[in-house]
Amino acid sequence: NAGVMQNPRHLVRRRGQEARLRCSPMKGHSHVYWYRQLPEEGLKFMVYLQKENIIDESGMPKERFSAEFPKEGPSILRIQQVVRGDSAAYFCASSPPSGQGKYEQYFGPGTRLTVT
Amino acid sequence: AQTVTQSQPEMSVQEAETVTLSCTYDTSESDYYLFWYKQPPSRQMILVIRQEAYKQQNATENRFSVNFQKAAKSFSLKISDSQLGDAAMYFCAYRSDYGKLTFGQGTILTVHP
Repeated sequence: NAGVMQNPRHLVRRRGQEARLRCSPMKGHSHVYWYRQLPEEGLKFMVYLQKENIIDESGMPKERFSAEFPKEGPSILRIQQVVRGDSAAYFCASSPPSGQGKYEQYFGPGTRLTVT
Repeated sequence: AQTVTQSQPEMSVQEAETVTLSCTYDTSESDYYLFWYKQPPSRQMILVIRQEAYKQQNATENRFSVNFQKAAKSFSLKISDSQLGDAAMYFCAYRSDYGKLTFGQGTILTVHP
């Protein structure tokens, strides 16, 4: 059973470009979470999605960031007009359908975004 | 909002010795879950141990155990017989009955041979 897949693993963008980060959850998982880790810091929650629904986006910056989890295909975290402060590691996690707290969130390997 | 605090930015231990990492949290909820994650240099997040708040018994996974003090809102991780492969960043995390994880700032653990 393949784990959570994220691609690309490394992404370099110039200021003002768009960044698209992809996450394929584990098979059978329908809950996806995105977290951001700035250098020397812990992971910070960004958004929680189920298929075709955003459940909690309280951690998402109000501008330039968006996320989706379509019925088919991976979850996408999109950052428009990137700035140097967006440079970070972005982690995706998935959990089983119930979404209950007792179930582990399985993490992907992360995407390291560098904005030059 | 829930908060998680790890007051030890760095800890070190001799190989084969025991080390305890501290974590405190703040919540008004009664049902929740606590986790310790390990992040080695590869950056992959690895679940070390999990504790359900409604369970009084402390969780144990091989060399890893926790001291869960619900009233004090404290959740420390004890690593026994430390190994070189235990060297990593350790994060304490809180999760309510539904939804996101809230992480502490992390503790860097160094293991000396």
